[in-house]
Amino acid sequence: QITLKESGPTLVKPTETLTLTCNFSGFSLSTSGVGVGWIRQPPGKALEWLALIYWNDDKRYSPSLKSRLTITKDTSKHQVVLKMTNMDPVDTATYYCAHHFWSRNNFDYWGQGALVTVSS
Amino acid sequence: QSILTQPPSVSGAPGQTITISCTGNSPKIGAGNDVHWYQQLPGTAPKLLIYGNTNRPSGVPDRFSGSKSGTSASLAITGLQAEDEADYYCQSYDSSLSGWVFGGGTKLTVL
Repeated sequence: QITLKESGPTLVKPTETLTLTCNFSGFSLSTSGVGVGWIRQPPGKALEWLALIYWNDDKRYSPSLKSRLTITKDTSKHQVVLKMTNMDPVDTATYYCAHHFWSRNNFDYWGQGALVTVSS
Repeated sequence: QSILTQPPSVSGAPGQTITISCTGNSPKIGAGNDVHWYQQLPGTAPKLLIYGNTNRPSGVPDRFSGSKSGTSASLAITGLQAEDEADYYCQSYDSSLSGWVFGGGTKLTVL
């Protein structure tokens, strides 16, 4: 059974760096083809893909946010970490991590999401 | 920038059939890139509803079906039920961006 769960601060100040952790179980990030992605959703708005990391450490970033994002993995801890710098109130959103397999190009298992509010 | 366009809202009465369209502005959508659909019930995480244009994951009722033609895709729901009231998102991969894109979402209201 694949499960994912996001954790991190619920409130960050403008200009700070957000660090989110995705803890997962039921799969390994050392398995060929597997990836974990991050997707966010501002309140009342649409989903937006942010970043994804593959089993082989290949990393992909949304072009519009690439300069602010860093995604890393710790295979032994079953964790993926997303860092987003220079947070702004417009970054207020629910952040989801999700399981991905390279040949399917979708996100088939999602975490419950973590709401992050950016405010001074 | 790749965009997937969906109608903001659709509605239907119980038992009726509705369709939700998803149109891509990039030829990459039609160039062999599959479209996937997600259902997001109020206050919950998205759930994969249709993958690879037409396929249903285990447990998804056959009232839900997907299709794709060229750079457009559609989600159809037959025999509409109150529990289908949710937001629906299409998603694809844009090889020119080397990234994944979501549609703007469609809110389904069951009258």
